[in-house]
Amino acid sequence: QKEVEQNSGPLSVPEGAIASLNCTYSDRGSQSFFWYRQYSGKSPELIMFIYSNGDKEDGRFTAQLNKASQYVSLLIRDSQPSDSATYLCAVLNTGGFKTIFGAGTRLFVKA
Amino acid sequence: DAGVIQSPRHEVTEMGQEVTLRCKPISGHDYLFWYRQTMMRGLELLIYFNNNVPIDDSGMPEDRFSAKMPNASFSTLKIQPSEPRDSAVYFCASSLRLGGNYGYTFGSGTRLTVV
Repeated sequence: QKEVEQNSGPLSVPEGAIASLNCTYSDRGSQSFFWYRQYSGKSPELIMFIYSNGDKEDGRFTAQLNKASQYVSLLIRDSQPSDSATYLCAVLNTGGFKTIFGAGTRLFVKA
Repeated sequence: DAGVIQSPRHEVTEMGQEVTLRCKPISGHDYLFWYRQTMMRGLELLIYFNNNVPIDDSGMPEDRFSAKMPNASFSTLKIQPSEPRDSAVYFCASSLRLGGNYGYTFGSGTRLTVV
């Protein structure tokens, strides 16, 4: 089992729809969870972090964390073509010394 | 701040040659990370430093890889000798702290091609 798993996609949604990206992790003691966006040919860019169970909202983005189910998700409301990118889930492991990245989910937002 | 600065942006070298990748972290960031990204394996942590000291190098694939951080503003990743399977994008990232809300700031990466 991979430490951080994501559906590779591609996930295709129409402009204006809600995009839902999911991530599961294996280390039950993981402490902090991050979502990075990576445009093709560019470097990853931090867009959200969460470390408490529940929802965290920032503009059109909502991160959701369920530690009991070892599940993290990212919702993008009112999706725009400019949101088309690969979204990487990252998990800081037990002890807080190493961040493990998932393989990423490719998102396409169709105009 | 100019962000994390990496050089070169692209490197093409022949198998067996030495390759040196360079990184300047964000001033004041205590942590520096070297990652490698490939289609097959995604982002892999190679090594990270805290206050210029290597903390975890368990991700360094083999002895051909070495990394140094002689001061707070400069780090190198060296591959000697290089092999075609080393072809990847190498990212340097820095962070103020670990954990909590402290994510990483990545450099633009070095695309390495070994022929």
